[in-house]
Amino acid sequence: DTAVSQTPKYLVTQMGNDKSIKCEQNLGHDTMYWYKQDSKKFLKIMFSYNNKELIINETVPNRFSPKSPDKAHLNLHINSLELGDSAVYFCASSHGAGDNQPQHFGDGTRLSIL
Amino acid sequence: KQEVTQIPAALSVPEGENLVLNCSFTDSAIYNLQWFRQDPGKGLTSLLLIQSSQREQTSGRLNASLDKSSGRSTLYIAASQPGDSATYLCAATGNTPLVFGKGTRLSVIA
Repeated sequence: DTAVSQTPKYLVTQMGNDKSIKCEQNLGHDTMYWYKQDSKKFLKIMFSYNNKELIINETVPNRFSPKSPDKAHLNLHINSLELGDSAVYFCASSHGAGDNQPQHFGDGTRLSIL
Repeated sequence: KQEVTQIPAALSVPEGENLVLNCSFTDSAIYNLQWFRQDPGKGLTSLLLIQSSQREQTSGRLNASLDKSSGRSTLYIAASQPGDSATYLCAATGNTPLVFGKGTRLSVIA
């Protein structure tokens, strides 16, 4: 199936740990994004990559480090997890970095910090 | 700084009714306005994208309008069905990356 897929779907871990979330898209898109949806369901962009290059970084703490090994993958590594990091993280992709291309979203990774 | 507001936060209607969801944005210098649907435990599905030069877009029973001058967009759903129950989000793209509203949670009662 053509889609944006994220792994894992659920992630429960303790404060202070380091964890990674993986995202892959097989839509042939060259722009990928990470969003955070908090407990109040407010969705906010974190990062955007176009052709493996960072183009958007929305004042996200340095503990969050995205990595794009190729155009089809954008992984998110989080160091020293904090309670406030608990949220749903969505990966998305679009064709080109242009502003008139719809974004396709994955189903999200639910991160819970104990 | 762009701010996007959606009213109402929640809406419950009987099956078959036509309904309108509202979205307002503070910065009219947008490139486009998108409407998404989010089902529980799922990601977002893009429904309609209206470019800044357009006034409306239609897809099946959905019609989205855009009035940049007033900073408003509406999503019209005709003949609502229980399967339309979901959260609907609008998002504006402009000088800032995609900025989302908090969504309207729609329940269509059979």
